[in-house]
Amino acid sequence: GAVVSQHPSRVICKSGTSVKIECRSLDFQATTMFWYRQFPKQSLMLMATSNEGSKATYEQGVEKDKFLINHASLTLSTLTVTSAHPEDSSFYICSAREGPGNTIYFGEGSWLTVV
Amino acid sequence: QQQVKQSPQSLIVQKGGISIINCAYENTAFDYFPWYQQFPGKGPALLIAIRPDVSEKKEGRFTISFNKSAKQFSLHIMDSQPGDSATYFCAARGGYNKLIFGAGTRLAVHP
Repeated sequence: GAVVSQHPSRVICKSGTSVKIECRSLDFQATTMFWYRQFPKQSLMLMATSNEGSKATYEQGVEKDKFLINHASLTLSTLTVTSAHPEDSSFYICSAREGPGNTIYFGEGSWLTVV
Repeated sequence: QQQVKQSPQSLIVQKGGISIINCAYENTAFDYFPWYQQFPGKGPALLIAIRPDVSEKKEGRFTISFNKSAKQFSLHIMDSQPGDSATYFCAARGGYNKLIFGAGTRLAVHP
C-alpha cells in the first residue's frame, strides 16, 4: 500500500515552545490530509482536514491558533503546536488520500511530550 | 448520528479461535467501512474494508460481514494468532471523506 511518513516519531519540548510535525506522502500525491490526536488507550480524534493550497478545516473544539496546519504541497502537510503545554502531550497521527473516494493511509504517528 | 459504536471494549481469545468485533452506525450516508489494526506506539494500519453494497468480504483470515438494514458490521478473525494481539478500530467514512472511528477493541490472543 501507499506510504505516509511522519517526522519526528518522538519529540520532547519545553512548555511554552512550539513544535512542528511533518507528514509526507511518499509515493502518491495527497490532495487531502487529516490530522488526528490519540490519547493512551483511546480512539483517534479528528483534529482537522487540510486540502493542498487551502486553509485547513478544524473540527469543533480544536483551537486553530494553537494547532497550525499547513498543506503547502501535494506531498507535505505540517502540524505546528504553538505555545505547547503539558496537556498537549499526546500521539499525533496524520493520514492522507490521493483523491476523493480513495483509500486513506495513516502515518506511523508522532509522540509529543511537553515538559 | 455521526457515532460509530464498537464492542466489545476488550476481547481475549485462545490461539486458533475466532475473534469477533462488532460495530454499529446510524448515519446511512456513510459509504465506506474500513477496519484498522493498531499496535502500541504505531499508527493504525488498514486491515480490510467494505462498501455498503456488499454483504461480506474476505481477505485471508479476516472477514467483514455487513448488514445494511441493521446498520451493523463486524470483523471476524479466523484462526486467531498471538501476533494478532492489537487494538482494532472500525470506522465509517462520511461527508468530506472524514473517517469516524469506533472506540476500539483491545484483542489479546493467548497461546
